[in-house]
Amino acid sequence: DAMVIQNPRYQVTQFGKPVTLSCSQTLNHNVMYWYQQKSSQAPKLLFHYYDKDFNNEADTPDNFQSRRPNTSFCFLDIRSPGLGDAAMYLCATRERNQPQHFGDGTRLSIL
Amino acid sequence: DQQVKQNSPSLSVQEGRISILNCDYTNSMFDYFLWYKKYPAEGPTFLISISSIKDKNEDGRFTVFLNKSAKHLSLHIVPSQPGDSAVYFCAASARTDKLIFGTGTRLQVFP
Repeated sequence: DAMVIQNPRYQVTQFGKPVTLSCSQTLNHNVMYWYQQKSSQAPKLLFHYYDKDFNNEADTPDNFQSRRPNTSFCFLDIRSPGLGDAAMYLCATRERNQPQHFGDGTRLSIL
Repeated sequence: DQQVKQNSPSLSVQEGRISILNCDYTNSMFDYFLWYKKYPAEGPTFLISISSIKDKNEDGRFTVFLNKSAKHLSLHIVPSQPGDSAVYFCAASARTDKLIFGTGTRLQVFP
């Protein structure tokens, strides 16, 4: 029974064509995260929400946006994907003082 | 500047033997450390953690050791099993909601 669900698992988009990745959770955790992971690299935090409070990392490109309409859902919008944005995107949730729970990720390819 | 380093990209161990995965960090403000395990096509799964007030934490076959003076932690798996074959990520946090990950070590346990 998956608790952090990412859709789709694989996404192909064209260079410059906006794309949205989604994450949902059944855990009712108040913190949600988006990470980008490229091959053989560490997962890199893009931004996170503490409830509705949005926290952007200083080096997250402006091309990346996020929405959290409610506790259960969080979206990652890439406005104009470039070839360098091809990566695995991981969503995670956390309750205070507990480890982060990860989804299985969305692998994004750019044509 | 990589604050969490896993200098061994891969490790191969015979079944039944001990696996030792290492992690070094540079930020003395880190006070909470975690290990995650990741199978192909799945998200990272929390394995074990340790607070900076301890130097050892054990959970079944898994033990994490923390050496604060050396800024080093290690994960011991005894005995190693083929199902332990995965990528292991070390992560650290400094009293925040954010984790800093290492680049991972691929463990292969062979019969």
